[in-house]
Parts: sequence; C-alpha cells; structure tokens
Amino acid sequence: KQEVTQIPAALSVPEGENLVLNCSFTDSAIYNLQWFRQDPGKGLTSLLLIQSSQREQTSGRLNASLDKSSGRSTLYIAASQPGDSATYLCAVKWNQAGTALIFGKGTTLSVSS
Amino acid sequence: DAGVTQSPTHLIKTRGQQVTLRCSPKSGHDTVSWYQQALGQGPQFIFQYYEEEERQRGNFPDRFSGHQFPNYSSELNVNALLLGDSALYLCASSFGGTQYFGPGTRLTVL
Repeated sequence: KQEVTQIPAALSVPEGENLVLNCSFTDSAIYNLQWFRQDPGKGLTSLLLIQSSQREQTSGRLNASLDKSSGRSTLYIAASQPGDSATYLCAVKWNQAGTALIFGKGTTLSVSS
Repeated sequence: DAGVTQSPTHLIKTRGQQVTLRCSPKSGHDTVSWYQQALGQGPQFIFQYYEEEERQRGNFPDRFSGHQFPNYSSELNVNALLLGDSALYLCASSFGGTQYFGPGTRLTVL
C-alpha cells in the first residue's frame, strides 16, 4: 500500500531557528513529490514540487530534498519567522497517468517570537 | 487570473440530507480533483474528472458522486450524509501537471 508519513506531528521553535520537516513514503517509484502549506481552516498553498529525477528544489528560505532510494524527503526552513507558523503537508504522486496525490497527515509548526 | 474558487465557504447539514459543493477551476485547467480532509488529517482523494468523465476514484462509497460541466467546473454531491462526512472538502484543478487547490468548503453534519 502506498503511504506517506510525516514526523513529527507538531514542532515548536523560537524565531530565527533553522528547522527540518520530514516526510517518508513507501514504494520508491514515485513520479513527483510536493510540499504544501496550510493555514488553519484554509486551502493548500504549493511550496515546492520535486520531480522524481531531481534531488532538490529551492524557493527563498525553503529547500526540499528528495532521496527516492531511502523513501524520504525533507523540507528545510531557514531563519524561521512567526509567519511560517502553519501545517506543512507532504504529498506524493506515484503515477503519471493517474493524478491522485497521497498526503501525509502533516506537521504543525509553531514559531514563537 | 482568478485561482480555483469553491462555494459555499461553509455549510451545515443534518444527517440523512444531501449536499452539493461547487468548484470553478483556474482558467485553462481542464481537470478537477476532489479531496476530503477530516480534522487533523491529510486530504484524501475522492475522485477526479476530465472531459466530463470520472477518470479516477479513491476509496469512497457511492454516496459520493460528481459531475463536470463543459466549462470544466465541477460539482461534488454527497447523499445520505453521515456525521463522519464532516470535513473540509478541497477542489484542485490542473492541466496535465501541478494541482492548484481552492480554499475549500467546510461541511458540518449535525
């Protein structure tokens, strides 16, 4: 069964700290992996998309890496800010033809000032 | 360019009732997917519509049905509502690639 797991479920850090969110997935034959941000009660905002042939993607203070062989991805957030407080979701697409995204349960991040 | 829009924003129904949720995709997008997100969980794939046909379906009962119109907008219908159907329902549109999500409809079943 194709599953996505995110650890930890929640994380609290002081402002300015660098942090890493983890995502693991069964079955390394993925098509792509995507990181999303979700504010409470809101929709999803796409942060980074990594194709299966890529090792990492960067956008501003965010860097996402992909290691298919170990079934893992990490989202690195540099110099965290209170505005980064949100739930971060990892989603995997296993099939190019099919388009369903399989999501983890997310990591809820709280950055205190 | 408007993003993905969904209506209504919030909805309260009672058990046994039926509900219809609506989604308008981003301009140029021809594919619409629906997801259910229960509190504290990640979104779960319900189904996807392309060219007015259901192309793929997740593990949801037949009480969940949908439709896509010629202008690519879509509806999600849920019959015989259960308390467990209370969730945020997300619509995502795409054109052969990345899915863009709408703000969701919060459904509460009492």
